[in-house]
This record gives sequence, C-alpha cells and structure tokens, in this order.
Amino acid sequence: KQEVTQIPAALSVPEGENLVLNCSFTDSAIYNLQWFRQDPGKGLTSLLLIQSSQREQTSGRLNASLDKSSGRSTLYIAASQPGDSATYLCAVKNDYKLSFGAGTTVTVRA
Amino acid sequence: EAGVAQSPRYKIIEKRQSVAFWCNPISGHATLYWYQQILGQGPKLLIQFQNNGVVDDSQLPKDRFSAERLKGVDSTLKIQPAKLEDSAVYLCASSLGRGATTDTQYFGPGTRLTVL
Repeated sequence: KQEVTQIPAALSVPEGENLVLNCSFTDSAIYNLQWFRQDPGKGLTSLLLIQSSQREQTSGRLNASLDKSSGRSTLYIAASQPGDSATYLCAVKNDYKLSFGAGTTVTVRA
Repeated sequence: EAGVAQSPRYKIIEKRQSVAFWCNPISGHATLYWYQQILGQGPKLLIQFQNNGVVDDSQLPKDRFSAERLKGVDSTLKIQPAKLEDSAVYLCASSLGRGATTDTQYFGPGTRLTVL
C-alpha cells in the first residue's frame, strides 16, 4: 500500500522568502506525481504534474523535482507572496489510483 | 469550460440521519471519483466510476455508504445512517479517463458535512 508523507505539516515565512515543501512516498512504481493547492473551503487545484520519466517540472515561480528511486519530491516556490498562503498536497499515482499526503499548510506573512 | 459542480456546499445533520450529495462532472469526462477528506488528512478515495460502472469501491463503507452514477454523467453519494466519524469534506473529481499516466483529475469545491 502506497504511503505518502509530507514534512513539515505547517510552515510560516515572511514575504519574499523561498518555500521548500517535501513529499516522500514508499512505493516507487508510480505513473506520476502531482502537487495540488487547497484553499480553505475550496477544492483542489492542480499545480504541477511530473511524469515518472521526468526529473522536474516548472510553472512560473513553481518548480517541482522528482527522485523516483529515493521516493522523494520537492516543491519550490520562489519569492513567496501572501497569496501563496494555502495547503499544498502531494499525490502519487499507482495504476489508476491517487494517494495523497496530509499536506503542508503555508502561511506567508506580509 | 465549466468545472465540477457539487451541492450542497455545507450540511449539518444529527447522527443516525441520512444525507445525500450530488456531483456534476466536467462535460465529456468518463471517470468520476468521490473522496473523503477528514480534517488534517489528505483525501481518501471512496469510489471511482468509469462511465456508469464501478472501477474501485474498496474503501467505501458499504454498510452505510452508497453511490450511483446514472447514465454515466451525474452522481450521488448517500450516507445512511450517519455517524460522528463521517464528519468530513466530500470531494468529487472527474477526468477524461484516457490513459493512466496523463489523466488529470479536476476537483469540485466539496461538501462539508458536520454530524452532531
């Protein structure tokens, strides 16, 4: 059974600082890994999807890396802004099923 | 393009009562998912439909939960009777369902259920 862990559970940084969010998973036989953002009272929004054959994906200030052999992914958010405050969830796909971590709640202080 | 729609957004019930949630997926999406997200945890898949057939319901508590997807479009999830531990956000998601590696799930806003 796939287990996904996200550390830390919560993070508070001043505006402008770079964010580093970590995700680890136990079963490396994955199809892909996704990072989602969840705002309070809202659903999940997909940020980045990394295929198992890829090492990283970038979108604007966001960069996600994947090391499948060690079961790790890192999400980097450059020059954080108060609008980046949210919960960030990592999910890995085995077969057709997504397994989620519990998320990292980020607060960016103005 | 319209997103995944869910209703109601919030529901408060007493334990042992019944409740139903509705989901309308993105047009053309063959696969529909229901997830349960307990506070402080990641979403857990309850049931997955491919068109109107069930692909996976291994984590659905079948003694109290039921779901259907009539005509392969809208879906309803029912809980009867509800327990205190059913308090959670119920998320619906849909995807095109074409290929495991690139199939992206799009999530609705969720229904927040409180059982008193």
